Order: sequence, then C-alpha cells, then structure tokens
Amino acid sequence: DAGVTQSPTHLIKTRGQQVTLRCSPKSGHDTVSWYQQALGQGPQFIFQYYEEEERQRGNFPDRFSGHQFPNYSSELNVNALLLGDSALYLCASSRKPGQSYEQYFGPGTRLTVT
Amino acid sequence: QKEVEQNSGPLSVPEGAIASLNCTYSDRGSQSFFWYRQYSGKSPELIMFIYSNGDKEDGRFTAQLNKASQYVSLLIRDSQPSDSATYLCAVMVRGGSQGNLIFGKGTKLSVKP
Repeated sequence: DAGVTQSPTHLIKTRGQQVTLRCSPKSGHDTVSWYQQALGQGPQFIFQYYEEEERQRGNFPDRFSGHQFPNYSSELNVNALLLGDSALYLCASSRKPGQSYEQYFGPGTRLTVT
Repeated sequence: QKEVEQNSGPLSVPEGAIASLNCTYSDRGSQSFFWYRQYSGKSPELIMFIYSNGDKEDGRFTAQLNKASQYVSLLIRDSQPSDSATYLCAVMVRGGSQGNLIFGKGTKLSVKP
C-alpha cells in the first residue's frame, strides 16, 4: 500500500524566487491538504484540494497557491519567497469529505530560504 | 481564534511507566480529535483518533475525550524508549469539509531506560 509521497526532500532557494512542491496521495485517497511547520511549532493549515478545486484555505497570503491534477496529485507553489517561508512543508491525504476524517502525512519537503 | 493548547514539556518518564499527555481546545463545537507522533526530523504519524466522549484503546495507547471540559488526552502504557518523540494534538475545525486541522505545538516526551 503506497503511502503519501512528496518531492523534493530538501530545497534551498533565494529570497524572491519561486518554488513548486509536489505530493502524491496515499492509494485510495483523493483529498490533499498542505501544511507548513516551522521549527518548534505544530503544522499550520495552508489549503485543501478536492476534485481539483481549492476547498478550504488557511491564513496564508496569495503568494501560496496550489493545484490538484486528475490523478489526485497536487502541487504547492510559493512565489516571492521570504526568509520566513523556511519551514517543513507537509502534504496530508485523506478520503473524500464525509467518508472519513483521518489525514496521513507524507515525509515532507524541507525548504530553506537564504 | 480557535486554539489547541499543549504543555510543551519535556515530559520525562521511566521505561515501563505510564505517560500522560494532555490537550485542551477552545472551539466547543469541535467533533474530531487526533494524536500524531513526530520523531525529530520526521513528519507526523497518526497514532490515534477519537470522535466520541470516553476512552478509546489501541494497544498501549488510550485516547480520552471529555467534550464538556474541552479536554483530550493520550495515555501510553508500558512506555518504551522508542516512544520518545513529540506528540501533537490536532482538532478538526467545526464546519470544515474535512479539516483544516488545528494543531497544538506538541509535547516532547522522553522515556528514560
């Protein structure tokens, strides 16, 4: 049973650049949520995708955008990177809304902005 | 502002003891509660979820929920050094299609051999 996968594992970018992170959900899951986890903090919800649409969004600026593809995989894009965007970016997958509530995380992408 | 509060620890227990981790939440209408374990440098791993008042047991783990007190806890029996990790409490936001999970900052548990 394939779990949630994310790529790349690590990434180093310079302020002002743009970055794209990728996620493939667990087998049987069709909903993807993205979280940002700063050091020493709990994950913070960025947004959730289901049926290729953004369904919910947390308190993140428009620099953060996403996409979901027909095969349920997803991308997180961050434009105009700031030093404060350095964090672990986590993707979580789940079954469609109403079927279950459990979310399972991928290994994460560690983003460092210099 | 919906919040989830946890004691950051560290909580230190001897091997074989019961570790008790606590969490309070501010949104009285919350319905779904989760415990994740996160080893240093790794991603969170779902270990327990509970939706109804009372206790839910799974192996050495017991989750306890008291909605009236807005309190959820995790008990780890016969603690092992491999249980040493940060434990994150998460609450699903009321009205969300499926979360939007609100996380606490986590409690760091250390199990001493």
